Amino acid sequence: GENVEQHPSTLSVQEGDSAVIKCTYSDSASNYFPWYKQELGKGPQLIIDIRSNVGEKKDQRIAVTLNKTAKHFSLHITETQPEDSAVYFCAASQGSSNTGKLIFGQGTTLQVKP
Amino acid sequence: GAVVSQHPSRVICKSGTSVKIECRSLDFQATTMFWYRQFPKQSLMLMATSNEGSKATYEQGVEKDKFLINHASLTLSTLTVTSAHPEDSSFYICSANLWGREQYFGPGTRLTVT
Repeated sequence: GENVEQHPSTLSVQEGDSAVIKCTYSDSASNYFPWYKQELGKGPQLIIDIRSNVGEKKDQRIAVTLNKTAKHFSLHITETQPEDSAVYFCAASQGSSNTGKLIFGQGTTLQVKP
Repeated sequence: GAVVSQHPSRVICKSGTSVKIECRSLDFQATTMFWYRQFPKQSLMLMATSNEGSKATYEQGVEKDKFLINHASLTLSTLTVTSAHPEDSSFYICSANLWGREQYFGPGTRLTVT
């Protein structure tokens, strides 16, 4: 079936450094790619998303890039802060996203050391 | 972003009893709601897709008679875990979206079956 691979599974950086999380997807019809941040004991929070008609999107310290040809997309966090520590999930729409169904990656635990 | 609430946030029940979890979209009308289950340190597992006014669509391997879903209105969906057993203990999360657009998650419900 369709799947999303996410790497790395854990990532530890020093405060102020950048963090990059990468995902690849298999469904060539996917056209919507959100990223979620999940803190312990809470639900996932949408932090940024990108649609297939653009290659890059930025929101302050967070950016997402998309390479549709290679079927991969990445999350970039610059100037990391301790409060960025959480589990991050990438996702890809199942097909053209009209159903809203998402396929999630396995998650990346980001630790930002002060 | 849009706000999705869940109630209760935590519930403990005895084996054999049923538990109902509510999911509400507070500031938008959700055409579709999703129910996920999440085990510790794992990704989100989609259980079912719920559309207002129609029967829920369950993912393969999810028992529809055990996990009853009702989507009574554009702002409310409920998940009832019937005849709960300890193996049903998990973190249940709902999400909602409008016509295939951004998907927003609730805060989750921690179910413990004793």
